[in-house]
Amino acid sequence: KAGVTQTPRYLIKTRGQQVTLSCSPISGHRSVSWYQQTPGQGLQFLFEYFSETQRNKGNFPGRFSGRQFSNSRSEMNVSTLELGDSALYLCASSAQPGLAGETQYFGPGTRLLVL
Amino acid sequence: EDQVTQSPEALRLQEGESSSLNCSYTVSGLRGLFWYRQDPGKGPEFLFTLYSAGEEKEKERLKATLTKKESFLHITAPKPEDSATYLCAVQAGTGGTSYGKLTFGQGTILTVHP
Repeated sequence: KAGVTQTPRYLIKTRGQQVTLSCSPISGHRSVSWYQQTPGQGLQFLFEYFSETQRNKGNFPGRFSGRQFSNSRSEMNVSTLELGDSALYLCASSAQPGLAGETQYFGPGTRLLVL
Repeated sequence: EDQVTQSPEALRLQEGESSSLNCSYTVSGLRGLFWYRQDPGKGPEFLFTLYSAGEEKEKERLKATLTKKESFLHITAPKPEDSATYLCAVQAGTGGTSYGKLTFGQGTILTVHP
């Protein structure tokens, strides 16, 4: 079974631009979560989507947004990029998440560098 | 607010020298505790899920245990290929605030020398 895939793997943008990252979950998985990983803050939760609905959101500004399509693929968008947005953006999928602690499987990440 | 603290920050071992990594957590309503391994430049790789105090899981040279306040990842007779960053994460809370959200510790960087 193929794992979580993320595209592109690497991106270089300049301040003020916007960027869209894509994530395809494991086949049959319906939940997608997004995380930002930086050396200083570690892994931080951005948001979670299930059945095309955002069910949970972390403490990030409104410049960070996402969506999920009917085939469970997800995209996240960052508008008006800042230098501090440089990070590894990770996507994770799980099968049928509820409150019971469903295991999340991570993709390889998209490395974003903002100049 | 959920808190996860891992120790030590870094651990250097000789091949074959067994040791343990610690993950302490303070959460309201633990739903699950997860261990991941992350190699440089890659996404976290799932290792274990633990749900309740007293639970233990094993995989090759790794064994994870869980109490009401902490989890340990025991590494027996490690090899150089076990070198990686080991991450602990929790899913906690009630209602919608826990959906899909893992709170991670800062990780332990393990280096195993041959």
